[in-house]
Amino acid sequence: KQEVTQIPAALSVPEGENLVLNCSFTDSAIYNLQWFRQDPGKGLTSLLLIQSSQREQTSGRLNASLDKSSGRSTLYIAASQPGDSATYLCAGLTGTASKLTFGTGTRLQVTL
Amino acid sequence: EAGVAQSPRYKIIEKRQSVAFWCNPISGHATLYWYQQILGQGPKLLIQFQNNGVVDDSQLPKDRFSAERLKGVDSTLKIQPAKLEDSAVYLCASSLPPSQFTEAFFGQGTRLTVV
Repeated sequence: KQEVTQIPAALSVPEGENLVLNCSFTDSAIYNLQWFRQDPGKGLTSLLLIQSSQREQTSGRLNASLDKSSGRSTLYIAASQPGDSATYLCAGLTGTASKLTFGTGTRLQVTL
Repeated sequence: EAGVAQSPRYKIIEKRQSVAFWCNPISGHATLYWYQQILGQGPKLLIQFQNNGVVDDSQLPKDRFSAERLKGVDSTLKIQPAKLEDSAVYLCASSLPPSQFTEAFFGQGTRLTVV
């Protein structure tokens, strides 16, 4: 059974700082790993998808890495802005049945 | 391309009442998920469909929750009777069959408040 853990649970940083969010998973036989953003009271917005054959994926100020052997993924946010304040969730896709398992999320606050 | 549609966006009901949520996935997506997200927690899978068949409903409280996906397209999730602890956001998602390219797309969710 896949278990996904995210550390830290909450993070507060001043504007302009670079930061790293961590995601760990127990079953390395994943098809891919997705990072999502969730604003309060809203649904999930997909940020990045890293395929099992990839090591990293980039979109603007976001860079996500994947290390299947160690069961870890990181989301790097460069030059953080107040608009980046949200909860960030990672989810691993495993099995022939497309099981999508989520972590508990990291709540990010970027202060002025 | 239209996204995953959910309705209603918000619902307030009294405990012991019934409620139903509706989801229309992206056209052609065979896999449909219903998740429950309690405030401050990550989404928890309630039920997963592949076309109109149930793949996983191991965490669905079957004494009060039910779900169906008729004709392998739209889906409804029902709670009867509701309890206070059912207050949560209910998320629907859809995707293509599993591969490393498979991306899950989510609707805006339905926020349920049970009073």
